[in-house]
Amino acid sequence: QKEVEQDPGPLSVPEGAIVSLNCTYSNSAFQYFMWYRQYSRKGPELLMYTYSSGNKEDGRFTAQVDKSSKYISLFIRDSQPSDSATYLCAPGLLQGGSEKLVFGKGTKLTVNP
Amino acid sequence: NAGVTQTPKFQVLKTGQSMTLQCAQDMNHNSMYWYRQDPGMGLRLIYYSASEGTTDKGEVPNGYNVSRLNKREFSLRLESAAPSQTSVYFCASRKEDLTNEKLFFGSGTQLSVL
Repeated sequence: QKEVEQDPGPLSVPEGAIVSLNCTYSNSAFQYFMWYRQYSRKGPELLMYTYSSGNKEDGRFTAQVDKSSKYISLFIRDSQPSDSATYLCAPGLLQGGSEKLVFGKGTKLTVNP
Repeated sequence: NAGVTQTPKFQVLKTGQSMTLQCAQDMNHNSMYWYRQDPGMGLRLIYYSASEGTTDKGEVPNGYNVSRLNKREFSLRLESAAPSQTSVYFCASRKEDLTNEKLFFGSGTQLSVL
């Protein structure tokens, strides 16, 4: 079983739709959970970051973590064409003087005007 | 601010050729990283440098060498390129290693090895 599983999509939605992006992970030791956004031909940029189970909201974006089921979600409300990008989940942990940060494969999202 | 700058943006090599990918950051970060991104594989860490003067292997170091030239610059060298090294390479930096701070990525180098 891969450490992080992410449906690569592609996902195509109309403008204004609610988008749900998901990842599952197998390593219960992961301590923090990041979402990176990557526009075409660009490097990833951090979008959301959370430590614990529960929800974290930032504008139209909500990151949700359920550690009991090892499930990570990113919700986008009122999606805009500018949200068209690839979204990478990235759980991580710090242990014994080293870090492990594992990126999902990414889900490609297109928001159509 | 430029952030993380990578050169070149595109490169085509023949099998067996060598080349160096350059990376520089202007944010006074201590830690720098090289990742590769392949379709269906996600981002994988090749090498990293926690601080000036130190380098360590990541998940996929075989076929690569790195040099932390100074605090700003971290280069990745392919001594004898192979088709399996066709990928998009990203350099990243952050203030300190072993923290959960965000990574700042460059725009990538698209490398094709024929």
